[in-house]
Amino acid sequence: DIQMTQSPSTVSASVGDRVTITCRASQSISGWLAWYQQKAGKAPELLIYRASSLQNGVPSRFSGSGSGTEFTLTINGLQPDDFATYYCQQYDTYWTFGQGTKVEVK
Amino acid sequence: QVQLQESGPGLVKPSETLSLTCTVSGGSISRYYWSWVRQPPGKGLEWIGSIYNSGSTNYNPSLKSRVTISVDTSKNHFSLKLSSVTAADTALYYCASMGGNHDYWGQGTLVTVSS
Repeated sequence: DIQMTQSPSTVSASVGDRVTITCRASQSISGWLAWYQQKAGKAPELLIYRASSLQNGVPSRFSGSGSGTEFTLTINGLQPDDFATYYCQQYDTYWTFGQGTKVEVK
Repeated sequence: QVQLQESGPGLVKPSETLSLTCTVSGGSISRYYWSWVRQPPGKGLEWIGSIYNSGSTNYNPSLKSRVTISVDTSKNHFSLKLSSVTAADTALYYCASMGGNHDYWGQGTLVTVSS
């Protein structure tokens, strides 16, 4: 099975900062990668699919890149609503989530 | 707009079988993959398994021996059974339909395993 490793586990940032989260797959998943945002007590919400496609309604400050085994989620100009936990997910072979990255207030 | 709603007991005794149902509204269950995902308190997301409209299933290898997912197209719902539960199975259980930009989740239901 495919393992997904996110880094870092926690990011301390301020409003307006640029935040970058990395996700590495244990084998190539082409571009079959999604990014989710989850807030406490809520279901995850899809931000990015196919590694770099923005889901409808998601602000353009979110962007994704990468292919193969290395992927990145970038938030340009962090907003107060963006403090949350972010997960990558591969859907090349079944589904696997990364362990999550918490974006907290610095 | 597709909506999903989980239902089932919130408390299950150790060694018994956890059973949950997900009712789909606003769309036909005869399309797409339908999945179960869980999240232990304070921890990350774990994919449990998925079923396609044909009835074909895929399960997380770590849970495969204990999981059964089935679909009832006449009722537009799908179900999860997890046998021989322990305290480690205590989690928020979500039903979802994931695949590219087709992405819908239920609100989740907390299942506690305790005697």
